[in-house]
Parts: sequence; structure tokens; C-alpha cells
Amino acid sequence: SQKIEQNSEALNIQEGKTATLTCNYTNYSPAYLQWYRQDPGRGPVFLLLIRENEKEKRKERLKVTFDTTLKQSLFHITASQPADSATYLCARTIGGSQGNLIFGKGTKLSVKP
Amino acid sequence: GAVVSQHPSRVICKSGTSVKIECRSLDFQATTMFWYRQFPKQSLMLMATSNEGSKATYEQGVEKDKFLINHASLTLSTLTVTSAHPEDSSFYICSARAAGGHRTDTQYFGPGTRLTVL
Repeated sequence: SQKIEQNSEALNIQEGKTATLTCNYTNYSPAYLQWYRQDPGRGPVFLLLIRENEKEKRKERLKVTFDTTLKQSLFHITASQPADSATYLCARTIGGSQGNLIFGKGTKLSVKP
Repeated sequence: GAVVSQHPSRVICKSGTSVKIECRSLDFQATTMFWYRQFPKQSLMLMATSNEGSKATYEQGVEKDKFLINHASLTLSTLTVTSAHPEDSSFYICSARAAGGHRTDTQYFGPGTRLTVL
């Protein structure tokens, strides 16, 4: 079965540093990997989507990579701010671009001032 | 854009009662709506997928007679937890995929409903 693993439950960094979160998947490469932000008691908010044939995708201070050899996606937040503190979820699609999503458990990021 | 609302945001009920949760796409029509459940420190787990006007497709292990889903229109889906028990206490989140006008390759999530069954 396809799985998504975010092995770090929590990550604490200092303001201004780059946060790097890891997402690993099993079995065959998904067509898409997606990253969401979830604040406590709230639903996830879509951040970025990266396709299998894309190595990197950027959006403002966010960068996502997709390495099909390592079966891994990295999510970077540069110049991190306390407002970036949240849980970040990685998700893979199954069954194509409009398929269902399988989520990882998330990594809780805390950015200290 | 692409706003999804849920009502209520929190509900506390007695064991054995039924609870209905509404999910609405406010500024777009949704081809498909999804219902998830999330326990503390766990992933979002997909419960069911529904398309407007047709029966929902339930994931393995989810009882369709306990979690009734009605997708009456392209902007509204409801989840009814029937005869709720304390183990049904969880965070229920809906999402919607846009028919057009927004990205169709991702899902837009509601703010979630915290259900507590006493």
C-alpha cells in the first residue's frame, strides 16, 4: 500500500533560519505531492503542489523538492518567522491528479523569536 | 477565493444521539466533497468521498450506516453521525474539489468540527 511518512514529529528552530521538513513515500512515485499547513483546531490550508517530473517548486519563502530516487520530498521555509509555527502536512495523491489524498502525520514546526 | 465552511465548529452531545455536520463551498461549485476524521497527533484519515446526486463511496472500515453522507447540491454536503458514542469523538474535516474557477488538482478544506460525545 502507498504510505506517506513524516518522521519528524516536531522541529524547533530559531527565527531567521531555514526550516527543512522531510516527507518520504513508499512504493511507486505518486504523480503529485502536496504540502499543507494546519494550525491547531483548524483545517489544512493548501500551500504547494509538485509534480513527479518537477525537481523543485517555489512560492515566496517556500520551496519544495521532489526526489524520485530517494522517494522523498523536502519542504523548506527560508527566513522563518514565529508566524510560520504550525503543523505541516505532506500528502500524496492516488489515482491521478484528481485522486484521493493520503496524508502524513505532519511535522509540528516551532519558530522561536 | 475557494472558501469552504463547516457548521457547527464545535458540538457536544450525549451518547446515543445523532449529530449533523454541514460542509459548504461558498464561492465555487464542488464536483466532489470529502469527509476526513483526525484524532490527536494523527493524520487526516479519509472517511468517504461523495459526488453531488450520487451515493458516497466509503473507505474500508467506515460504517456507511453510522456515518450518513448526503450531497444534495454542488455546494453542500452533510455528514450525520448516528447513535454517536464516545469513541466517535474526533475532529471532522470536510474538503471540496472545485469544478472550475480554482485549482482542480487539489482540495480546499473546511475549518473542521470538533465533536465530543459524552
